[in-house]
Amino acid sequence: GENVEQHPSTLSVQEGDSAVIKCTYSDSASNYFPWYKQELGKRPQLIIDIRSNVGEKKDQRIAVTLNKTAKHFSLHITETQPEDSAVYFCAASDTGRRALTFGSGTRLQVQP
Amino acid sequence: SAVISQKPSRDICQRGTSLTIQCQVDSQVTMMFWYRQQPGQSLTLIATANQGSEATYESGFVIDKFPISRPNLTFSTLTVSNMSPEDSSIYLCSVGREGTEAFFGQGTRLTVV
Repeated sequence: GENVEQHPSTLSVQEGDSAVIKCTYSDSASNYFPWYKQELGKRPQLIIDIRSNVGEKKDQRIAVTLNKTAKHFSLHITETQPEDSAVYFCAASDTGRRALTFGSGTRLQVQP
Repeated sequence: SAVISQKPSRDICQRGTSLTIQCQVDSQVTMMFWYRQQPGQSLTLIATANQGSEATYESGFVIDKFPISRPNLTFSTLTVSNMSPEDSSIYLCSVGREGTEAFFGQGTRLTVV
């Protein structure tokens, strides 16, 4: 089955700096890669996703890149703000199975 | 997007008892998923619930412990049976239509004492 590894487990940045979280996956059949933000006590919320036919996707301060050959994808947050502080999860799935395999999570702390 | 209502939102249960969690979606979906999130951990898939067929369980999860019902295309239940303190977790249902993103219910925070 699919295995998703995520690094780092914790990340502390100064407000205004950029943050990068990296994930690798094992199953070449995976073709959908979402990123979720989970604030304390709340459900995971989708913040951005990318499909295997695209190499990069951007939404305001958030971007995701995908390297299918290397089987890794990354989340980039620019101009970080204190409200970006949360746990971020990467995930992978294929459109057939549709269930998500999650990475272990990254706790991002943005220092004001 | 899909609106998913999950209940109860939290419960404290005695060991040895069972709890049934309900998940209601505002539109018809083929697949519903149940995840477990242990304290401070990531999300782990328990099973996929398909309407009209038996649920498909992931390795480490069995039907006797986590029976699932899927009576129609908008509703599913997950039962946590014969609970022990190790079952204390957040349980989340999720739906996703083909080609679209997955959405989560608000979760059920279960504490077993």
